Amino acid sequence: DIQMTQSPSTLSASVGDRVTITCRASQSISSWLAWYQQKPGKAPKLLIYKASSLESGVPSRFSGSGSGTEFTLTISSLQPDDFATYYCQQYNSYLFGGGTKVEIK
Amino acid sequence: EVQLVQSGAEVKKPGESLKISCKGSGYSFTSYWIGWVRQMPGKGLEWMGIIYPGDSDTRYSPSFQGQVTISADKSISTAYLQWSSLKASDTAMYYCARHYERAADGPGYFDLWGRGTLVTVSS
Repeated sequence: DIQMTQSPSTLSASVGDRVTITCRASQSISSWLAWYQQKPGKAPKLLIYKASSLESGVPSRFSGSGSGTEFTLTISSLQPDDFATYYCQQYNSYLFGGGTKVEIK
Repeated sequence: EVQLVQSGAEVKKPGESLKISCKGSGYSFTSYWIGWVRQMPGKGLEWMGIIYPGDSDTRYSPSFQGQVTISADKSISTAYLQWSSLKASDTAMYYCARHYERAADGPGYFDLWGRGTLVTVSS
């Protein structure tokens, strides 16, 4: 089975910082990767699909890159609304990464 | 409005049965797979299974095969997740999500989520 490893598990950052989250697959998943944002008590929200395609309505400060086994989610300038937990998901078998919590520094 | 509306929170005792629901509206319910995702308290997301309401074709994660049953009633645009005998370890938030698939974008991802149903199992 393909395993998904996200890093870091927790990230402390300040408003305005550039933030990068990494997701690694144990074998190639082509570009079949999505990123979701989840705030406490809320459902996940799709941010990125096919590794780098921005979902409609998602701010352009969010971007995704990568293919094969290594992927990144970047927030170019962290905003107060962005403090949340982020999950990657490979959608061959729908397996999620363990999540990255972005906290206020 | 395109949305998935989930049934309300449940409090059950171990050994009891339960069926929770997810009603789609604002789109063609029979044209999209619906997935179920578990989130245990303070933990991450776990994919449980997926159903195509058009013909009730169902796939389960190996971790949940035999533990739950996923079904759908296309006449009322509703998908279900059910347990025949709950355990304390089933305490979690359960989300349904629409699976969006387009050939150019690969096997598909979850683009629309319900608000979740909190299931608490306690004696």
